[in-house]
Amino acid sequence: QKEVEQDPGPLSVPEGAIVSLNCTYSNSAFQYFMWYRQYSRKGPELLMYTYSSGNKEDGRFTAQVDKSSKYISLFIRDSQPSDSATYLCAMSAKPGYSTLTFGKGTMLLVSP
Amino acid sequence: DTAVSQTPKYLVTQMGNDKSIKCEQNLGHDTMYWYKQDSKKFLKIMFSYNNKELIINETVPNRFSPKSPDKAHLNLHINSLELGDSAVYFCASSLGPTLQETQYFGPGTRLLVL
Repeated sequence: QKEVEQDPGPLSVPEGAIVSLNCTYSNSAFQYFMWYRQYSRKGPELLMYTYSSGNKEDGRFTAQVDKSSKYISLFIRDSQPSDSATYLCAMSAKPGYSTLTFGKGTMLLVSP
Repeated sequence: DTAVSQTPKYLVTQMGNDKSIKCEQNLGHDTMYWYKQDSKKFLKIMFSYNNKELIINETVPNRFSPKSPDKAHLNLHINSLELGDSAVYFCASSLGPTLQETQYFGPGTRLLVL
């Protein structure tokens, strides 16, 4: 079993839909969680960073961590065609980038 | 102004050749990284430098050698290229090496080894 599992998609939704992107993980030591967005042929960019369990909201984006289920989610409200990208989850047991483990990414397609 | 730039954007070369990829950041950051994203899209850290000192050196063949001439530059030299080295290589930088400091990625260098 890989440390971080993520459905590669693609996930196709109409504009305005609420999108739910998810990752599961096996390492119970993970306590730092991040979501990146990667447009085609571009580098990843950080969207959300959370520590431990709970919710964090930033504009249309909400990150949710459920450590008891080893499950994290990214919700996108009022999705836009410009949200079409690959979303990578990443997580770490320690506060440094050396142990950051990425998921494979989920491709999201938002149609107008 | 591009924050993190890489050259070249594309690199096609034969097996056995030696090649270099350059990275420059104009953000004034102290920490720089090299990542490899393979054909299965897994992104994995290779190296990190903080203030020109190597702080992360993952299990990478010693054919790969990073060099940081100053804090704004981190180059990657690859000797004796192999087919399995084909991937997208991303450079990134951050103010410091901890997760609280946001990483900024370059556009990537697409390496194809024939």
